[in-house]
Amino acid sequence: GAVVSQHPSRVICKSGTSVKIECRSLDFQATTMFWYRQFPKQSLMLMATSNEGSKATYEQGVEKDKFLINHASLTLSTLTVTSAHPEDSSFYICSARDQGDEQFFGPGTRLTVL
Amino acid sequence: AQKVTQAQTEISVVEKEDVTLDCVYETRDTTYYLFWYKQPPSGELVFLIRRNSFDEQNEISGRYSWNFQKSTSSFNFTITASQVVDSAVYFCALSENQAGTALIFGKGTTLSVSS
Repeated sequence: GAVVSQHPSRVICKSGTSVKIECRSLDFQATTMFWYRQFPKQSLMLMATSNEGSKATYEQGVEKDKFLINHASLTLSTLTVTSAHPEDSSFYICSARDQGDEQFFGPGTRLTVL
Repeated sequence: AQKVTQAQTEISVVEKEDVTLDCVYETRDTTYYLFWYKQPPSGELVFLIRRNSFDEQNEISGRYSWNFQKSTSSFNFTITASQVVDSAVYFCALSENQAGTALIFGKGTTLSVSS
């Protein structure tokens, strides 16, 4: 089956720093990738839809200047949390859609901001 | 508006018991897809099933079975003869119109199976 990877799997950073999370489709091309956020003991909430070669579409309440998304190739989307604060600590999960409209999830990145 | 409701927040059972996780959805679309995912403590989502709105046949896969009823907008998941390894958070999700659109997740049900 299709594989999606995320890097890093865990990151701890100081408040005020920026963190980049990568989402890669390893064996298929993904024109669309999705970024979700999951706070402890809560559900997954869609943050944004990332389309290759165009600007990301953000969900209501998600600050696009804080969560920068770049989908520069058909196999890579990146999410940069700028000036991270403790309230940004969360589990970030991406998914990638293949040409058959199947969606595959990455293993997630656990971000802790001190 | 689209919505997925998992009314059971937590369920605890003893091994070998059968358990049903409920899922009720709301959508105005006639074409939609329903999913179940398992999330163990590691956090990685494990895909269990995808069902489109035109296929109401129930499905069985080993100890897992799913009951899709459009009349009640429900897509319930039953684990037969539960095992400790089934302990996880289970999410029901919905995508509208196309299979590849973003998923709307329910709040999840935490299943604890004790030996």
